[in-house]
Amino acid sequence: NAGVTQTPKFQVLKTGQSMTLQCAQDMNHNSMYWYRQDPGMGLRLIYYSASEGTTDKGEVPNGYNVSRLNKREFSLRLESAAPSQTSVYFCASLSESSYNEQFFGPGTRLTVL
Amino acid sequence: AQSVAQPEDQVNVAEGNPLTVKCTYSVSGNPYLFWYVQYPNRGLQFLLKYITGDNLVKGSYGFEAEFNKSQTSFHLKKPSALVSDSALYFCAVRDGRYGGATNKLIFGTGTLLAVQP
Repeated sequence: NAGVTQTPKFQVLKTGQSMTLQCAQDMNHNSMYWYRQDPGMGLRLIYYSASEGTTDKGEVPNGYNVSRLNKREFSLRLESAAPSQTSVYFCASLSESSYNEQFFGPGTRLTVL
Repeated sequence: AQSVAQPEDQVNVAEGNPLTVKCTYSVSGNPYLFWYVQYPNRGLQFLLKYITGDNLVKGSYGFEAEFNKSQTSFHLKKPSALVSDSALYFCAVRDGRYGGATNKLIFGTGTLLAVQP
């Protein structure tokens, strides 16, 4: 089992450029999440998906869109990147059978110039 | 609303000494409590959780945490710190009354543990 995988690991964008962060899990979990991590602010939820075909906003959704392509994959898109979106992005999936423990990917470090 | 507080941005401890990383929480129902660790340039790794039962929970790498309902705390502890324990530690809580993705996990801001040789 690879667990939760994310691509790319690093990315540098210019203001206004767009990109998609990819996430996949092989644990057959229904629920998936996107977080951003900023110094002194912990992890903040951007979007989540309770099941294939559904998505919902989290705490900081502005400037982002998501797609739950299938049960395995949950992508995060920045349509027009801004320097305020410089952050580390983590994808996670939820194990309903393990009292809702979340499993995290290795992260994508994004810099917007 | 649920919340988690980690009052210390950084904890410094000498190798071999006991360590404590503090966490307090607020939740309406029964708390499900978690500790995660993040090593440099890595994702979060699960350490331990409290759902019900014994107030002292044992987890990975020799860590344990004590659930205290009256003080709404869930402090992380280890009897003897190692240099390799140096990392960022996150406490998280969710309301145990509800299941599913909509019952979100709320994270603290993290505590950096620095263990000196």
